[in-house]
Amino acid sequence: ETGVTQSPTHLIKTRGQQVTLRCSSQSGHNTVSWYQQALGQGPQFIFQYYREEENGRGNFPPRFSGLQFPNYSSELNVNALELDDSALYLCASSSGGATSGSQETQYFGPGTRLLVL
Amino acid sequence: KNQVEQSPQSLIILEGKNCTLQCNYTVSPFSNLRWYKQDTGRGPVSLTIMTFSENTKSNGRYTATLDADTKQSSLHITASQLSDSASYICVVSATNAGKSTFGDGTTLTVKP
Repeated sequence: ETGVTQSPTHLIKTRGQQVTLRCSSQSGHNTVSWYQQALGQGPQFIFQYYREEENGRGNFPPRFSGLQFPNYSSELNVNALELDDSALYLCASSSGGATSGSQETQYFGPGTRLLVL
Repeated sequence: KNQVEQSPQSLIILEGKNCTLQCNYTVSPFSNLRWYKQDTGRGPVSLTIMTFSENTKSNGRYTATLDADTKQSSLHITASQLSDSASYICVVSATNAGKSTFGDGTTLTVKP
């Protein structure tokens, strides 16, 4: 177990709806990254938060947004859901304001599996 | 464009046998390369991390190698066990980017 938790574990939504996914970081970690993983593919970087500020973003539209709270837990919000948003959503926590150039290891949560019908 | 290519896409081996997974990358300027193990329906778990100056690193039965000149890495699994069945993902980070580049993984199946 990595100490990173995510909720819910599974979720079913319909097109056009909005969804909020939650992540609790490992104790002592101040950086959280969110990833989208489609079936049979590697995780795709959505964005990263460091001390409540966005610290990097991948190629995802603005309807993907996030928050990081003072206790370093985090939310991923997706508006106007599309069928292609169906995927496993992973969050990963790390310490020290890690950017990709850092050697800090990211600890992944178990993921939230989202199905959009 | 930064890319990470893994091969083979999938692999089936018998329990007790060894295997080697490959990772080629074009990420530049290179910072570090990590191998992760991802069990079905779970998040990835870190196996090894290597920087430019390291060419081999072991974690139990897992040994990763890195050739920064040819931009290739391999993950060697010795004396495979049924629990090694998983997806193995290579992740390469650049020093000047705000994100890491993930490969699509190699799916390993170990059969009794």
